[in-house]
Amino acid sequence: GDSVTQMEGPVTLSEEAFLTINCTYTATGYPSLFWYVQYPGEGLQLLLKATKADDKGSNKGFEATYRKETTSFHLEKGSVQVSDSAVYFCALSDSGAGSYQLTFGKGTKLSVIP
Amino acid sequence: ETGVTQSPTHLIKTRGQQVTLRCSSQSGHNTVSWYQQALGQGPQFIFQYYREEENGRGNFPPRFSGLQFPNYSSELNVNALELDDSALYLCASSLSAATHRTEAFFGQGTRLTVV
Repeated sequence: GDSVTQMEGPVTLSEEAFLTINCTYTATGYPSLFWYVQYPGEGLQLLLKATKADDKGSNKGFEATYRKETTSFHLEKGSVQVSDSAVYFCALSDSGAGSYQLTFGKGTKLSVIP
Repeated sequence: ETGVTQSPTHLIKTRGQQVTLRCSSQSGHNTVSWYQQALGQGPQFIFQYYREEENGRGNFPPRFSGLQFPNYSSELNVNALELDDSALYLCASSLSAATHRTEAFFGQGTRLTVV
């Protein structure tokens, strides 16, 4: 079955540091890949997505590139802010799954300190 | 346009009871999915409704059931509540179930506590 593995947290960074959160996946079909963010006490918000190999998703300074050869979709940001503190989830939606549900990783909690 | 709204936001139930959670999908969206998020975990897919029909189900027992109405709003029902059902229940709507490229928009969730 499909699965998503992301680096375990928590991750604590100083403001303006570089962020990388690793994400790898297994899928039976040709998935679309997503990063969602969850702020404390809230639901999930889509951060970015990529639907085919070599696509780069980007939003709010965050980027991730769909790497089919390494089955990866790592999240990066060049300079984090305190407001980026949240839990980040990598997810996939598989073309081989009839209902196209999202399969999520366990999440990585990011804390950014001033 | 209004986003995805869920009610109630918090709920406390006793083991063995039944609960109904509600979700209003985003305007124009005909597909609703439900997820269970246990504390410290990623969301797990429960089921999806597309145009009032169940369109896929995750690894959850039959005591988890749902409905979708003609206006595409949805309900999640859980019977015979167990302590392990305590979680954040998330509803997500999307424009169509016909493609895996469609993004899902999530509500704020309902925090269910079973005591």
